Amino acid sequence: GAGVSQSPSNKVTEKGKDVELRCDPISGHTALYWYRQRLGQGLEFLIYFQGNSAPDKSGLPSDRFSAERTGESVSTLTIQRTQQEDSAVYLCASSLWGRETQYFGPGTRLLVL
Amino acid sequence: AQSVTQLDSQVPVFEEAPVELRCNYSSSVSVYLFWYVQYPNQGLQLLLKYLSGSTLVKGINGFEAEFNKSQTSFHLRKPSVHISDTAEYFCAVSEVKGNKLVFGAGTILRVKS
Repeated sequence: GAGVSQSPSNKVTEKGKDVELRCDPISGHTALYWYRQRLGQGLEFLIYFQGNSAPDKSGLPSDRFSAERTGESVSTLTIQRTQQEDSAVYLCASSLWGRETQYFGPGTRLLVL
Repeated sequence: AQSVTQLDSQVPVFEEAPVELRCNYSSSVSVYLFWYVQYPNQGLQLLLKYLSGSTLVKGINGFEAEFNKSQTSFHLRKPSVHISDTAEYFCAVSEVKGNKLVFGAGTILRVKS
């Protein structure tokens, strides 16, 4: 079946612009996660959705970052007024409710010039 | 809070040699343990996981890992590597009742002919 998909695969933007990153989870997966992978580093947790509520937003690095989810479907991560330190690969993952295994998408590579 | 330490940032090894990638974690609660692999220009793929039971777990592509609670370790091993195993390997933990994954910084395995 179809895996987690993300779009765009690559995004180049100018400092100060807003960007939206999209994640389509595996059908039926109620849990959705966003992570960030900066160059040469491991993945950092950003936010977790259960359905369309976000019980854990502890990883969002600043108020420039926000995310929403429509039902148990698509999620959008928005970064406002992008900074160069936002350059990273943004990864989305999904899982079945109550299950521990997360399935990752291919990521969106964001470059802020 | 949990943390994960991958002791080697890079591991070079010759083809058909054995390899061990080290992972240590810290947590005040019980955890699930995972190894993910990221091939060049691809997303993360689950290699194996430890949830409970037998401390030796086998994964895909001939990899295995052993959970050692007293040493808080979850080292990944393969008795004979192939060129195609060249990738970055990430160790991760999650709380038994939690959701987010906490990742180590990753270990790049370079298999040489």
